[in-house]
Amino acid sequence: AQSVTQLDSHVSVSEGTPVLLRCNYSSSYSPSLFWYVQHPNKGLQLLLKYTSAATLVKGINGFEAEFKKSETSFHLTKPSAHMSDAAEYFCVVSERNAGNMLTFGGGTRLMVKP
Amino acid sequence: EAGVAQSPRYKIIEKRQSVAFWCNPISGHATLYWYQQILGQGPKLLIQFQNNGVVDDSQLPKDRFSAERLKGVDSTLKIQPAKLEDSAVYLCASSLGWGGNTEAFFGQGTRLTVV
Repeated sequence: AQSVTQLDSHVSVSEGTPVLLRCNYSSSYSPSLFWYVQHPNKGLQLLLKYTSAATLVKGINGFEAEFKKSETSFHLTKPSAHMSDAAEYFCVVSERNAGNMLTFGGGTRLMVKP
Repeated sequence: EAGVAQSPRYKIIEKRQSVAFWCNPISGHATLYWYQQILGQGPKLLIQFQNNGVVDDSQLPKDRFSAERLKGVDSTLKIQPAKLEDSAVYLCASSLGWGGNTEAFFGQGTRLTVV
């Protein structure tokens, strides 16, 4: 069975400092992994996805994530936070033997201080 | 390109009443999903359609929830009768195919409050 654990429910950073949102997954087979962002009163938007190609994945708005199979991790990073990055972030796993069902983590709320 | 449309945006009902939500996916998208997102939690899949067939409904409380996707396009999700614990945002999403690397596009959701 696939599952996702987001290690921090809340992360607070200052504007201009690096962002690290942590995600660990459990999957029986080679998974696909995604990060989605949810701004207040807006729909979920895909930031980036890993699908067994390059392990370092670049997404929109300067975000990137690295797939580390040995650590079963897919942490999301950004070198410099912007106020507009404040939102809820979800790590998502999908695997073929689970019908490609998307399983979401519990979410991490990112707060950016001026 | 138009996104996933959902209506209504907000709904308040009393417990034991019934309610229905509507979703219009992106044109040409074969796969449609309904998710339930309870406040403070990640979305949980309720049902997944491929065209008008059900792929996965293992987490759908079938005693009170039902969903259909007639003609493989629009979909409706119904709750009858509603319980207090059904208060949540109901998200509809669609994707072009049915593959692990296929991006799902989400609507803005319907916020249901059961009182």
